[in-house]
Amino acid sequence: KQEVTQIPAALSVPEGENLVLNCSFTDSAIYNLQWFRQDPGKGLTSLLLIQSSQREQTSGRLNASLDKSSGRSTLYIAASQPGDSATYLCAVPHNYGQNFVFGPGTRLSVLP
Amino acid sequence: GAGVSQSPRYKVAKRGQDVALRCDPISGHVSLFWYQQALGQGPEFLTYFQNEAQLDKSGLPSDRFFAERPEGSVSTLKIQRTQQEDSAVYLCASSLGQGVGYTFGSGTRLTVV
Repeated sequence: KQEVTQIPAALSVPEGENLVLNCSFTDSAIYNLQWFRQDPGKGLTSLLLIQSSQREQTSGRLNASLDKSSGRSTLYIAASQPGDSATYLCAVPHNYGQNFVFGPGTRLSVLP
Repeated sequence: GAGVSQSPRYKVAKRGQDVALRCDPISGHVSLFWYQQALGQGPEFLTYFQNEAQLDKSGLPSDRFFAERPEGSVSTLKIQRTQQEDSAVYLCASSLGQGVGYTFGSGTRLTVV
């Protein structure tokens, strides 16, 4: 059964810092991995989708990497801003279904 | 529409009441998913539709939960005889198909009192 963990559970940093969020999954036979952002009381916004054939994806100040063999993905945020404050979730496909399995999220606070 | 639309945004139900939550996916999206998100946790899968066919309902927590998508577009999640443990945000997501990313709606926050 696919299980996803995320470290750290919460992170508070001053504005301008570069930071790394970690995601681990137990079954490496995945065909993609997706990172989402969730603001309080809101739904999920897709940030980056990495296909299994890719090693990384970039969008603006965000860079996500994928290492299937070790069951890990990292989300790198450069020059963090207060507007980046949110919960970040990673998700991988379930072993035997179409649905995604989500991690518990990392709650990020960027202080001005 | 431009995004996934869910209604109502908030629902307060008395314990024992039946509720119906609606999801309008992006036009043309074949796949539709329902997730349940408890406070402080990641979303947990409830059920999956491909067009009008419910292909996976393994995540539904009890037989009080029922979902349908009769014409392959709008979907309704129904919860009968609501209990306090049903209080959560219910998220709907749609996608073009396997291997393609999800688009989520803003969710319905259900509070059972």
